[in-house]
Amino acid sequence: EIVMTQSPATLSVSPGERATLSCRASQSVNSNLAWYQQKPGQAPRLLIYGASTRATGIPARFSGSGSGTEFTLTISSLQSEDFAVYYCQQYNNWPPYTFGQGTKLEIK
Amino acid sequence: DVQLVESGGGLVQPGGSLRLSCAASGFTFSSYGMNWVRQAPGKGLEWVSYISSSSSTIYYADSVKGRFTISRDNAKNSLYLQMNSLRDEDTAVYYCARVKDYYSYYYMDVWGKGTTVTGSS
Repeated sequence: EIVMTQSPATLSVSPGERATLSCRASQSVNSNLAWYQQKPGQAPRLLIYGASTRATGIPARFSGSGSGTEFTLTISSLQSEDFAVYYCQQYNNWPPYTFGQGTKLEIK
Repeated sequence: DVQLVESGGGLVQPGGSLRLSCAASGFTFSSYGMNWVRQAPGKGLEWVSYISSSSSTIYYADSVKGRFTISRDNAKNSLYLQMNSLRDEDTAVYYCARVKDYYSYYYMDVWGKGTTVTGSS
């Protein structure tokens, strides 16, 4: 089973600033990585697939990068609606699909 | 609009059973594989089970194997999860999610809002 590790667990950033979230896989997942955003009481929402392709309707301030075992989600200029929990998930080797433990992005 | 709506959650005693449903609309349900994913209170996301579009391929997480059964009815645009021998650790919000084929790699692109299963112990 591939273990996904996200860092940091909590990130405090001011609105308008840049946020950088990291995700590491225990073995290569190539570019088969997705990022999801989850707000309290809501379902996860797909942001990025293929490590760097934005899903339909996702603003350009969200960008993903990386391949192999190291991945990054960058939010270029934080808006109030971006404060949420973010999960990475690999779909290169499954079952099982595996998720990171999440990074909580909070307002500084 | 593409939509997934789960139902069937509730309060259940340890050892009990529950059947979750997921109603799909706005897309050709029979063309997509589907997943169940759960989230325990205050915890992260855990994949539970997968079923292919034709039901020919089914997978389960080790934590539910032998207790849960995934199925679908393409004529009714519906996905199901039969949950037996429930344990306290099965308490969670259960989401159904559509599986998108991207060059033979399969990620989850649309999620329902979830249904809550709560152990009564």
